[in-house]
Amino acid sequence: QQQVKQSPQSLIVQKGGISIINCAYENTAFDYFPWYQQFPGKGPALLIAIRPDVSEKKEGRFTISFNKSAKQFSLHIMDSQPGDSATYFCAATDYTGGFKTIFGAGTRLFVKA
Amino acid sequence: NAGVTQTPKFQVLKTGQSMTLQCAQDMNHEYMSWYRQDPGMGLRLIHYSVGAGITDQGEVPNGYNVSRSTTEDFPLRLLSAAPSQTSVYFCASTGTGGVNTEAFFGQGTRLTVV
Repeated sequence: QQQVKQSPQSLIVQKGGISIINCAYENTAFDYFPWYQQFPGKGPALLIAIRPDVSEKKEGRFTISFNKSAKQFSLHIMDSQPGDSATYFCAATDYTGGFKTIFGAGTRLFVKA
Repeated sequence: NAGVTQTPKFQVLKTGQSMTLQCAQDMNHEYMSWYRQDPGMGLRLIHYSVGAGITDQGEVPNGYNVSRSTTEDFPLRLLSAAPSQTSVYFCASTGTGGVNTEAFFGQGTRLTVV
């Protein structure tokens, strides 16, 4: 039973296009929603994160949209670049539950030059 | 500034062997966790700890043991390795203060059980 569902599994985008990755969660106890980026052979690294009292957060070309009532959140990468090619994971953290963080299955993004 | 250090980077085990994956962090973080990464499955939480002496099970704890005797170290033990435990293992360390809570990951241990 996946607590955090992520789609699509893979994504191919043209350089300059918009990449969109979607996630949905089940547990309403989650109160922090980070996105991680992972390059081959490396550990994941925090990209951007949002708390449920905010509907949108933007950092440079990366934007998280959050819909608390639908229990869904998404990552938008504007002006996608070949250097953005990586695997992206959404996650959800339960602070009161011991900071337990559950990850989605990941999306492998490839940006064509 | 080492961050999170995992050893070894690669390991091949025979079925039934035991081993310990080491994880150490130098950021004085209270929260540490172990994940395994398998193709199409993402990162699945094995065990986590909110501080020295305190551990709890994650999503896939069977076949793994942990202990947390110090803030810095959080080893993961495989008592009797099985081929199903072939995976890449990541240790993460998270600070529990501040507005933006970030998990810092180690470089991973690629484990093959034959």
